[in-house]
Amino acid sequence: ETGVTQSPTHLIKTRGQQVTLRCSSQSGHNTVSWYQQALGQGPQFIFQYYREEENGRGNFPPRFSGLQFPNYSSELNVNALELDDSALYLCASSLGGIGGNTIYFGEGSWLTVV
Amino acid sequence: GDSVTQMEGPVTLSEEAFLTINCTYTATGYPSLFWYVQYPGEGLQLLLKATKADDKGSNKGFEATYRKETTSFHLEKGSVQVSDSAVYFCALSEETSGSRLTFGEGTQLTVNP
Repeated sequence: ETGVTQSPTHLIKTRGQQVTLRCSSQSGHNTVSWYQQALGQGPQFIFQYYREEENGRGNFPPRFSGLQFPNYSSELNVNALELDDSALYLCASSLGGIGGNTIYFGEGSWLTVV
Repeated sequence: GDSVTQMEGPVTLSEEAFLTINCTYTATGYPSLFWYVQYPGEGLQLLLKATKADDKGSNKGFEATYRKETTSFHLEKGSVQVSDSAVYFCALSEETSGSRLTFGEGTQLTVNP
């Protein structure tokens, strides 16, 4: 049990639609990051939020966007869904913006785009 | 840029066998190194970590030593169990990158009774 909760756990969307995934970070953690894990691959960093500001972004197009709220919970939004967006989306939280801190992952949201 | 390379899988072992999963990395600074484990249908769980050279991380019988000279962080366990069957990911984070992790491709481990 990591204290990081994600919703929904599974969802199916149609190509072209939009999706919002939610994450509640571990209590006190002010840094949230999102990862995309395609089947059979390692997670790929999408972006990170530190104290409500985006603080680093991976190689993902602008249709992937996010928010972090004052209580440090977070959302990942994906517009104009494509078939290749089908993946497990993982949220992770940690304390502070410095590397080396332990990073805790949620169970993930499985997105299928048809 | 940063990268992590893991030994190719899948790896199949008999119960009580010795396990080694190789991991090497490329980084511009002085990264922290991690091993995560993913059981079927689940998210990632931190297995162990090391934050500086020569540190040894250990947990649940697994060990890995941060070797700066060989840029490696190999995972070992002396006697595997069926319950260790999972996918193992090596990862790194740079000092200035917050919680940005760079992962390897993962190694599927299957342990047979």
